[in-house]
Amino acid sequence: KAGVTQTPRYLIKTRGQQVTLSCSPISGHRSVSWYQQTPGQGLQFLFEYFSETQRNKGNFPGRFSGRQFSNSRSEMNVSTLELGDSALYLCAGRSEPTNEKLFFGSGTQLSVL
Amino acid sequence: GENVEQHPSTLSVQEGDSAVIKCTYSDSASNYFPWYKQELGKGPQLIIDIRSNVGEKKDQRIAVTLNKTAKHFSLHITETQPEDSAVYFCAAERLGGNEKLTFGTGTRLTIIP
Repeated sequence: KAGVTQTPRYLIKTRGQQVTLSCSPISGHRSVSWYQQTPGQGLQFLFEYFSETQRNKGNFPGRFSGRQFSNSRSEMNVSTLELGDSALYLCAGRSEPTNEKLFFGSGTQLSVL
Repeated sequence: GENVEQHPSTLSVQEGDSAVIKCTYSDSASNYFPWYKQELGKGPQLIIDIRSNVGEKKDQRIAVTLNKTAKHFSLHITETQPEDSAVYFCAAERLGGNEKLTFGTGTRLTIIP
């Protein structure tokens, strides 16, 4: 089975721009979660989607949004980028059918200049 | 919400010795406790997990113990090898509620050859 795939691997943007990150979970996994990882704040939960519906959301501003498609692929969008949005953005899928174990991709490293 | 504290933040051990990383959690409703290993340039990799109805779990050189009363759990790595060098994260979650892993701040483990 292929693992969780995230694209692009690296991204450089400037303040005020917007960005879209993509994630494809392991085949058959219906849940996708997004996390932000920074040296200062560690791993912070952004949101989780299950069967195209957002079922949980972390404490991030509305500039951070996401969606999930019928094939379980997910996208995360950040609008009006700020310097503090520079981070590693990780996507993860949950094991089926127990929805217990979380499997991460390698992440997208976003740098905002 | 859940809060997970992890100690130590850095740990250096001689190759062949044991390493222990400790975490405490605040939400008594949490019932699932995974450990992740993150190598440079990669996403976190699940290495072992434990449910609250189990006190100890072992997988080759890795073991996890859980004390529900004291709300703490630990990762034990025996016979350490250079490839064990990485950052380790503990996490806690209440399965069956709003699935959301809360992570500790990480431990950078260095194995000295």
